[in-house]
Amino acid sequence: GNSVTQMEGPVTLSEEAFLTINCTYTATGYPSLFWYVQYPGEGLQLLLKATKADDKGSNKGFEATYRKETTSFHLEKGSVQVSDSAVYFCALSWRGSQGNLIFGKGTKLSVKP
Amino acid sequence: GAVVSQHPSWVICKSGTSVKIECRSLDFQATTMFWYRQFPKQSLMLMATSNEGSKATYEQGVEKDKFLINHASLTLSTLTVTSAHPEDSSFYICSAVAGPYEQYFGPGTRLTVT
Repeated sequence: GNSVTQMEGPVTLSEEAFLTINCTYTATGYPSLFWYVQYPGEGLQLLLKATKADDKGSNKGFEATYRKETTSFHLEKGSVQVSDSAVYFCALSWRGSQGNLIFGKGTKLSVKP
Repeated sequence: GAVVSQHPSWVICKSGTSVKIECRSLDFQATTMFWYRQFPKQSLMLMATSNEGSKATYEQGVEKDKFLINHASLTLSTLTVTSAHPEDSSFYICSAVAGPYEQYFGPGTRLTVT
């Protein structure tokens, strides 16, 4: 079946540090891949997405590349800010679904000034 | 972006009672809405798919008679937890599909059953 595995947190970084959150997936066919972010007290928001192999999603300085050969979609940011503190979820959907998502367990990021 | 609201955001109920949670898409119509459940430090688990005008589709292991879903309009889906028990205490999150790859999430409802 389809599944998503992402690195467990929490992750604590200093401001301006480099961020990587690993995400790998298992899926039949060609899934679409997403990163969602959940700020404290808010609902999940789409951060970025990639719908086919080698696509790079990017938003707010975050990037992730859909790597079919390694079945990965790692999230990166070159210089994190305190405002990036949140929980990040990797997710996938697949062709033929109605859009329902399979999520990883989430990674809590705390950025210290 | 589009907004999805949930009401209530937080509810405490006694064991054996029923609780209704509303999910509304405020500025778009959604033929499909999803209901997820999130346990502490766990991922979101899909409970059911709610389609306007038809019966909901439940995931394996989710009791449809316990978690009643009604999607009566293109902007409203409701989840009723019937005869709630303490093990039903959780964070319930809905989402609404606005288009391909466009899914918007509500802020969630925390249910505590005493």
